[in-house]
Amino acid sequence: GENVEQHPSTLSVQEGDSAVIKCTYSDSASNYFPWYKQELGKGPQLIIDIRSNVGEKKDQRIAVTLNKTAKHFSLHITETQPEDSAVYFCAASIWSRGNEKLTFGTGTRLTIIP
Amino acid sequence: GAVVSQHPSRVICKSGTSVKIECRSLDFQATTMFWYRQFPKQSLMLMATSNEGSKATYEQGVEKDKFLINHASLTLSTLTVTSAHPEDSSFYICSAQRFTSTDTQYFGPGTRLTVL
Repeated sequence: GENVEQHPSTLSVQEGDSAVIKCTYSDSASNYFPWYKQELGKGPQLIIDIRSNVGEKKDQRIAVTLNKTAKHFSLHITETQPEDSAVYFCAASIWSRGNEKLTFGTGTRLTIIP
Repeated sequence: GAVVSQHPSRVICKSGTSVKIECRSLDFQATTMFWYRQFPKQSLMLMATSNEGSKATYEQGVEKDKFLINHASLTLSTLTVTSAHPEDSSFYICSAQRFTSTDTQYFGPGTRLTVL
């Protein structure tokens, strides 16, 4: 099955600086890669996603890049703000038994230092 | 758009009792819903996938007789934890997908289950 690795597990960044979180996946058949932000006690919230036919996608301060050859994708947050502090999960999607199944990374706890 | 709700948000029950958790898609019809389990400071682990009107597909290691899933309508799926034990205490999260092939999964706010 699919295996998704995520690094780092924790990341502290000074407010205003950039944060980068990296993920690798194992199954070359994966074709959809969403990123989720999870605040304490809440469900994951989709912040950005990318499909395998695109190399990069940007939405204001957030961007995602995908390298299909190397099987890795990254989340970039620029001009970080205190409200960016949360746990971020990457995921890779693959078809399994007739459904699109998400495999999640282990998460990155991002702390923005004011 | 694409709002998913869960009820209850928190539940505490005694060991041996059953607990039902509801997952609703509020502004769209969900052909597929997913149930995840998340232990503290860990990632989300898929428990099962349910398509409306069909039996749920469970992931390896998940007991289908313990975690009963019903997806009776395009806006509602339920997870029933039967004969709950303390080790079932966890954060249960559902997600819903409008189309099976290309749509994003939208997650609910989660339900914190504590079994005493």
